[in-house]
Amino acid sequence: DTAVSQTPKYLVTQMGNDKSIKCEQNLGHDTMYWYKQDSKKFLKIMFSYNNKELIINETVPNRFSPKSPDKAHLNLHINSLELGDSAVYFCASSPGDPTQYFGPGTRLTVL
Amino acid sequence: DQQVKQNSPSLSVQEGRISILNCDYTNSMFDYFLWYKKYPAEGPTFLISISSIKDKNEDGRFTVFLNKSAKHLSLHIVPSQPGDSAVYFCAAGPGGSQGNLIFGKGTKLSVKP
Repeated sequence: DTAVSQTPKYLVTQMGNDKSIKCEQNLGHDTMYWYKQDSKKFLKIMFSYNNKELIINETVPNRFSPKSPDKAHLNLHINSLELGDSAVYFCASSPGDPTQYFGPGTRLTVL
Repeated sequence: DQQVKQNSPSLSVQEGRISILNCDYTNSMFDYFLWYKKYPAEGPTFLISISSIKDKNEDGRFTVFLNKSAKHLSLHIVPSQPGDSAVYFCAAGPGGSQGNLIFGKGTKLSVKP
């Protein structure tokens, strides 16, 4: 019974394509996040949503657009993919304190 | 500019001994500190946390110590087990669910049988 799930787990695509990564949490949390782990292994926050509203938007190209249809879902859509977008993307959720619970990650490879 | 630093990329410990993982931070506004454990091909798993009003928090084999004056925290694992072998991330934030968590680069712990 997965708490935070992401699909797909692996995504291989060509430069210039548009792709989406889906995230769902069944924990009843109000806040959800997207993180990027780059080749240097740093985990950096990209977006934070609270109850479907954008709270944090770090310096992320506007090719990345998060979409939250309801508070259990936070999807990440990426337009015009570039080589530098290759990374592992993690979704997370939080119950209202600083603790965040992470999904298994989506490894994106842009060729 | 790394606000959260884990200066040891790796640590090797014998089973049964103590593992000590260290973390330094620069931002005195950080109010909450967390440790996460990560296995390959999985997401980080929350391990233990501490707020800035405490200097120690213990949960079973895991203890986190916070030294605010030195801007330093450490995670102690006693006794270490082979299943503890993973990458450990230190994270810090301002408190509340809507603040940014800043992560360190991680320390890879290997516990040898």
